[in-house]
Amino acid sequence: DSGVTQTPKHLITATGQRVTLRCSPRSGDLSVYWYQQSLDQGLQFLIQYYNGEERAKGNILERFSAQQFPDLHSELNLSSLELGDSALYFCASSVASGRETKNIQYFGAGTRLSVL
Amino acid sequence: GEDVEQSLFLSVREGDSSVINCTYTDSSSTYLYWYKQEPGAGLQLLTYIFSNMDMKQDQRLTVLLNKKDKHLSLRIADTQTGDSAIYFCAESAKMEYGNKLVFGAGTILRVKS
Repeated sequence: DSGVTQTPKHLITATGQRVTLRCSPRSGDLSVYWYQQSLDQGLQFLIQYYNGEERAKGNILERFSAQQFPDLHSELNLSSLELGDSALYFCASSVASGRETKNIQYFGAGTRLSVL
Repeated sequence: GEDVEQSLFLSVREGDSSVINCTYTDSSSTYLYWYKQEPGAGLQLLTYIFSNMDMKQDQRLTVLLNKKDKHLSLRIADTQTGDSAIYFCAESAKMEYGNKLVFGAGTILRVKS
């Protein structure tokens, strides 16, 4: 068990809908990262938050947004969903802010999103 | 930009050694990682190596790093059926204010009993 908790495990929804994925980092970790895993794109970095502030952004669509709350949990919001958004979404956490040389990321079990 | 490449598939017999190879492009990467993903599960951190090291051993796992050739390998000794999984190589990539991991496509390891 990595200590990173993601809910829900599975999500089935329809095109055009909006969903929220939730992540609780390991105790003591201030950074939260979101990654998308799909068959055609592999594992892709979406966004990083550190102590409530956005720190780094990857190839995240404008329809997607995230935030990190004062209790350090994070939510990834996906809106106007398309079939191609079906994927496994991972959250990872780290004690580092991201600029340190050593930045070990621990991953949750993921949320599998199916858009029908 | 950053890019990580891995061979896609490896099949070994139980008890043999497995060697999974990876090449990366970002010469500024300071840490390189190996993650394991079992079916339906998340990514489990197996081990990591700092770029000033050539080798790191952790029980059945041995990581070799050739920084000149930007080549990383993971050797699993006495491979067991429970080692069957997808193995991902990743490099850390600094961004302006943060950091991300760049992953390879993953190597499917199949262990035959």
